[in-house]
Amino acid sequence: DIRVTQSPSSLSASLGDRVIITCRASQSISTYLNWYQQKPGKAPKLLIYAASTLESGVPSRFSGSGSGTDFTLTISSLQPEDFATYYCQQSYSTPWTFGQGTKVEIK
Amino acid sequence: QVQLQESGPGLVKPSETLSLSCTVSNGFISSYYWSWIRQPPGKGLEWIGYIYYSGSTNYNPSLNSRVTISLDTSMNLFSLKLTSVTAADTAVYFCARLGEDGYNLDCWGQGTLVTVSS
Repeated sequence: DIRVTQSPSSLSASLGDRVIITCRASQSISTYLNWYQQKPGKAPKLLIYAASTLESGVPSRFSGSGSGTDFTLTISSLQPEDFATYYCQQSYSTPWTFGQGTKVEIK
Repeated sequence: QVQLQESGPGLVKPSETLSLSCTVSNGFISSYYWSWIRQPPGKGLEWIGYIYYSGSTNYNPSLNSRVTISLDTSMNLFSLKLTSVTAADTAVYFCARLGEDGYNLDCWGQGTLVTVSS
């Protein structure tokens, strides 16, 4: 199985901050990397697919980059509704695997 | 906008079979892949498997011998069966649709908690 490791596991940030979350795959996955946002008690929501493509309706302050084994999710200016847990997920090969999550909290 | 809704028992006894359905509304089950994902309380996400409308399936090997995903095009729903459950199978179970490119999960149900306990 391809392991996907996120860092950090949690972070505290203030409104307006730039936030960067990283995801590293245990082998090259080209750009088969997706990012999801999950709020408590809710289903995950697709933010970014194919490493850098913004899902329709997702604010442009979210962006993704990377290829191969190293990827980043950037929130350019943190908004109140962005406090949540973020997961990366590889779809290069089955079984699809998720990172352990990054919880973004209010500082 | 397509909507997905999970349904099924919230409590299953150890060694029995967990059975859930996912009803697809405002859209047709044809021409897409459909998936199940689970999340133990307070933990991360685990992909269970997916099915294509043609009936072909792909399962997580960690569950392969116990899991079956099927679909009913006439009812516009797909289903999950997990046999011989233990407490480790206690989780919120989500159904989801794979996106147009088949490599992401672009639409999710709200999830349903299944507890395995006697």
